[in-house]
Parts: sequence; structure tokens; C-alpha cells
Amino acid sequence: DAKTTQPNSMESNEEEPVHLPCNHSTISGTDYIHWYRQLPSQGPEYVIHGLTSNVNNRMASLAIAEDRKSSTLILHRATLRDAAVYYCILRDPPGSGNTGKLIFGQGTTLQVKP
Amino acid sequence: DAGVTQSPTHLIKTRGQQVTLRCSPKSGHDTVSWYQQALGQGPQFIFQYYEEEERQRGNFPDRFSGHQFPNYSSELNVNALLLGDSALYLCASSLLSGLAIGDTQYFGPGTRLTVL
Repeated sequence: DAKTTQPNSMESNEEEPVHLPCNHSTISGTDYIHWYRQLPSQGPEYVIHGLTSNVNNRMASLAIAEDRKSSTLILHRATLRDAAVYYCILRDPPGSGNTGKLIFGQGTTLQVKP
Repeated sequence: DAGVTQSPTHLIKTRGQQVTLRCSPKSGHDTVSWYQQALGQGPQFIFQYYEEEERQRGNFPDRFSGHQFPNYSSELNVNALLLGDSALYLCASSLLSGLAIGDTQYFGPGTRLTVL
């Protein structure tokens, strides 16, 4: 399973953008990049995923480097409720044998200051 | 929609005992995965159940076993508990057909197991 590397922690001010980096230099050509976050005392929740192109949804944006060896999760305006552990995960490509097993690292703990 | 539910919320056991944790998947989902999350670590995949059978297993000993019922709910059983089994146990549900096209999983809030 390909591995990801993330900073242990980051800080942000409320209402400012946050860029959470992830390195995945051993990514294969068909691995998808998924981001989940885990709020305190909750289970992980899906944030966003992509393959090659940048992606946007109501929660965040995902910027993927051209060589796919790194990606950045962008929260456009951080709120106090965005304080969580953010996990960058590589997933097997879609297919009949795909169990969707998620290989979590230690993630990045995001602190948001008022 | 109640989402993924797990019971109990917290549990305290002693070494050598056995424990059963329960999970009800999100409505319409047919696949349940279990994860173990030690304090300060990311979740680790234990196994996945579909059609009442174990579909894939992570690197966990046979003391960890599971079951899926016809209504898709699932149980995680751990025998001969060790101190190191203390963790948050998470259940995640999904549609098997969705997993095949890259769909995400939905996690429950977890069961906090403490082994003394």
C-alpha cells in the first residue's frame, strides 16, 4: 500500500484559508487521493477525493500536483468547527475487487484560532 | 436517516475477558468494515463483511472475529483481551457496488474499549 506523509500539526486563524499538504511520492497511476477528517470524539468523515484534476465541493478544494506526488487540501475560510485531524489516504482504483479499505496515517491536527 | 450507529459507547473490561461490539450500517448500505484506533494514531483496518462473509482482513490476530447478520448489521468480537486492545473501535458502512466505483465510507462514532 502506498504511503502518505503529512505534517503532524498546523495552525490557522479563523476565516483565513488553510492549505494542508500531503506527499505521496510512491503513488501509482491508478490510486485515488482521498481526504477524511476526524472531529473530536467522532468517527472520520469524508471530505473530498480526486485522481488527477483539481476538485471542488462544498467542504473544500483538492489541488493535485501535475506529477501526482503531492496534493493539497484547501479550506477556503477556516472556522472553529474545522478543527480536526485531517487524513490524506491513497485508495485502490475502482474495480470489482476494491474493498475500499482505507490506510490511515497519523494525519495533520489542525488548530483554528479565533 | 440515522447514519451509522454503534453500541455501546463505552466499555470497560479486564484482561482475558471477551467483548462484543455492535454496528448498524447506514440505511441502504450492505457492507460493513471495522477499524481499530489506538490513542493518538490513525484508524487501522480490521476486516470487512459483505453478504455475511468476511471479504478482507487486515493484520489482526484470530482473537478478532466478526459477524454480519441478514439485516446487514454487524458484530465485532474480541477474545482473550489484552491491555493493548484498549482503543476506539470504529465501524464504517458502504454499498459494495459503490466501493467498486470509488465511493466513500460512512463512519460511526465508535465504541471506546478500555481493558484493565
